Amino acid sequence: EVQLVESGGGLVQPGGSLRLSCAASGFIFSRYWMHWVRQAPGKGLVWVSRINSDGSSTSYADSVKGRFTISRDNAKNTLYLQMNSLRAEDTAVYYCARDSSSWGTFDYWGQGTLVTVSS
Amino acid sequence: DIQMTQSPSSLSASVGDRVTITCRASQSISSYLNWYQQKPGKAPKLLIYAASSLQTGVPSRFSGSGSGTDFTLTISSLQPEDFATYYCQESYSAPPTFGGGTKVEIK
Repeated sequence: EVQLVESGGGLVQPGGSLRLSCAASGFIFSRYWMHWVRQAPGKGLVWVSRINSDGSSTSYADSVKGRFTISRDNAKNTLYLQMNSLRAEDTAVYYCARDSSSWGTFDYWGQGTLVTVSS
Repeated sequence: DIQMTQSPSSLSASVGDRVTITCRASQSISSYLNWYQQKPGKAPKLLIYAASSLQTGVPSRFSGSGSGTDFTLTISSLQPEDFATYYCQESYSAPPTFGGGTKVEIK
């Protein structure tokens, strides 16, 4: 059974940092591109970042470029999102998602982890 | 970035009703269109990929159609467990973008 379990969310002050993790199981993690998608309270889904299967290529939404870094450890079956210089508008539930096609089709999602940026 | 526009933003329907949700892309995306269902407090779930292909395990009352810029998600006979928010998402280009969502509520 495919499982994605996020962790690392919490309350952080503006300007602070946080690292999210997504532990994968039930599939060969190293074969899949992975993404982070976020959802602000009461709002819609917004793509944040993606990483290819071996970690050699990454992409970011303009809103987080230069502040967030996506990475992965295929030996540990874990995806990461390092978030620096956090702003109030980064407050959201962050989901990791598996890409079934490498074209941005998200076939499995984690349960999400809430990040709240507030003083 | 490609803009995805869903309509309506919300609708009220009864169990057994046929429900149709539309999604329009700001440029042609061929058939690179996915549909997701999200229930409150839960992660999204993939329903339809490549505009019309049913994801494994999804009931056959869900169907998708369209290509180019105009797409449709149809629920042939609405069931109690179908009350949720539905999102379209294009996978034609980077960054992938989502529609604003359609909330399906009980009439």
